Amino acid sequence: ETGVTQSPTHLIKTRGQQVTLRCSSQSGHNTVSWYQQALGQGPQFIFQYYREEENGRGNFPPRFSGLQFPNYSSELNVNALELDDSALYLCASSLEKLLFGSGTQLSVL
Amino acid sequence: QKEVEQNSGPLSVPEGAIASLNCTYSDRGSQSFFWYRQYSGKSPELIMFIYSNGDKEDGRFTAQLNKASQYVSLLIRDSQPSDSATYLCAVTSNSGYALNFGKGTSLLVTP
Repeated sequence: ETGVTQSPTHLIKTRGQQVTLRCSSQSGHNTVSWYQQALGQGPQFIFQYYREEENGRGNFPPRFSGLQFPNYSSELNVNALELDDSALYLCASSLEKLLFGSGTQLSVL
Repeated sequence: QKEVEQNSGPLSVPEGAIASLNCTYSDRGSQSFFWYRQYSGKSPELIMFIYSNGDKEDGRFTAQLNKASQYVSLLIRDSQPSDSATYLCAVTSNSGYALNFGKGTSLLVTP
């Protein structure tokens, strides 16, 4: 049990739509990271939030954006969905080590 | 050159044998090294981490780190069919906060 909860578990969208994925972590976990894992690949770092501010970003376009809230919850928003956005999206709480939630499987048709 | 490289496998070992999983990385400045286990359709689960050169043992798992050779390995003793999964090697990036993952090695333990 990592104390990181993600919703929804599965989601189907069509190309061009927008999606919001959610994550909640235990009190005190003030750093949250989001990763994208395409089929057959390792997770790729999207961005990290610390105390509600983005403090690191991977090689993802601006249509990937996020928010972190004072209650340690977080959102990942993806605009103008593309087929290649189909992946498992992982939220991780970062104290000393990355502990992942169960993930959201996004399919873009 | 990929930052973290792993043999994709599948690596097949008989039940009870030692499984040896290997990983190389390109950034000499990396400080922390992690092994995650991922079952099909599930999220990665942290099983080992190592920060210093040498061996670190936890139950049936041993992580080995050689910073001079930029090499990390995971040994699984007395392999069980339940160990069949994909094992992901992850290394801290030069940013210090993100992890760079390899593509993973698929392990199959046969009864």
